[in-house]
Formats: sequence, C-alpha cells, structure tokens
Amino acid sequence: KQEVTQIPAALSVPEGENLVLNCSFTDSAIYNLQWFRQDPGKGLTSLLLIQSSQREQTSGRLNASLDKSSGRSTLYIAASQPGDSATYLCASRMDSSYKLIFGSGTRLLVRP
Amino acid sequence: NAGVTQTPKFRILKIGQSMTLQCTQDMNHNYMYWYRQDPGMGLKLIYYSVGAGITDKGEVPNGYNVSRSTTEDFPLRLELAAPSQTSVYFCASSYGHLDYGYTFGSGTRLTVV
Repeated sequence: KQEVTQIPAALSVPEGENLVLNCSFTDSAIYNLQWFRQDPGKGLTSLLLIQSSQREQTSGRLNASLDKSSGRSTLYIAASQPGDSATYLCASRMDSSYKLIFGSGTRLLVRP
Repeated sequence: NAGVTQTPKFRILKIGQSMTLQCTQDMNHNYMYWYRQDPGMGLKLIYYSVGAGITDKGEVPNGYNVSRSTTEDFPLRLELAAPSQTSVYFCASSYGHLDYGYTFGSGTRLTVV
C-alpha cells in the first residue's frame, strides 16, 4: 500500500531564502507525482506535475524533481516571498489507479 | 473560466440530517472525484466517476452516495450525518485518467453537531 510522507510538517524561513520541501513515497511504481499549493480556507492549486519518465519540472521560481528509485520528490522554491506562505501537498498516482495518494502537507511560512 | 464550483462553502448539520454537496465543472472533463480532508491530514478519496452514468467507490465511501447524470455535475449525498463526517470536502476533475493533472474546487467545510 502506497504511503506518502512529507517532512517537516511546518517550516518557517526569512524572505529571500531558497528552500526545499520533501516528499517521500513507499512504492516506486508511481505513474506521476503532483505538487499542490493550498491557501487557508481555499482549495488546492496544482503547481507541477511530473510524469514517472521525467526527472524534473520547472515553473517560474519552482522546480520539482522526482527520483523513483529512492522514493523521493522535492519541491525547490527559489528566492522565497511572503506570498509563498501556504501549505504544500504532494500526491502520487499509481499505475492504472484513479486515485491520488496525498501526503499530509508542509505548512510554509515566509517571514518578511 | 469558472473551473470547478462547489456549493455550499460552509454548512452545519445536526446528527442524522441529510444533505447534498454540489459540484459542477465547465471544462468538459470526463473524470470527477470527491475527497475529504481532515485537520492536519492529506486528502482521501470518497468516490470517483469516469464519465456520465459511471461511478465507483474510493477509499472512504461509507456514509456517502454519488450520482453522475451529466458530464458537468457530480453531487455528493450524505445520509444520516455523523460527527465523523465533519471535514472539508473537495471536488476535483481531470480531463484524462493518467496524463493530466487535477483541478480542485474551493471546498465545502461541513460540521456535524
């Protein structure tokens, strides 16, 4: 059974710092992995989707990597801003499965 | 574009009451999903649908029912509400099955007292 873990549960950094959020999964037979952002009281916004055949995806200041062999994905945020403060969730999709398996998220606070 | 729209945004139910959470999408997506998110936890799949007239159970379907009469709408029905159903409910959709990301609605925060 796939389990997705995100550590740390919370992170506080000063503005301008580069940071890495971690996501680990127990079953490497994933089809893709998706990173989401969730603002308080809001829904989830898709940030990046990495297919199992890809190593990384980039969007602006965000870069997500995927290493299936080690069961890890990272989300790198460059030059963090207070507006980046949110909860970041990763979710894996298994081969031939309809469901996403979510981690519990990392709550990020970027201090001005 | 409206994307995925959920109503209501908030609701308080008494134990034993019933209600329907509405979800509609305007992107002509075939796949639709209902998730619940408990405090400090990730999301868990309740039900999903791969097209109009087709629905199936997810991880935590007990106490819920769904229908999919049109491509656009995917309502979630709670019968005999229980405190364990206090949660935030998210509806999502995707165009395809494996190669496409999800679009989520803004959620319905439900409290059962």
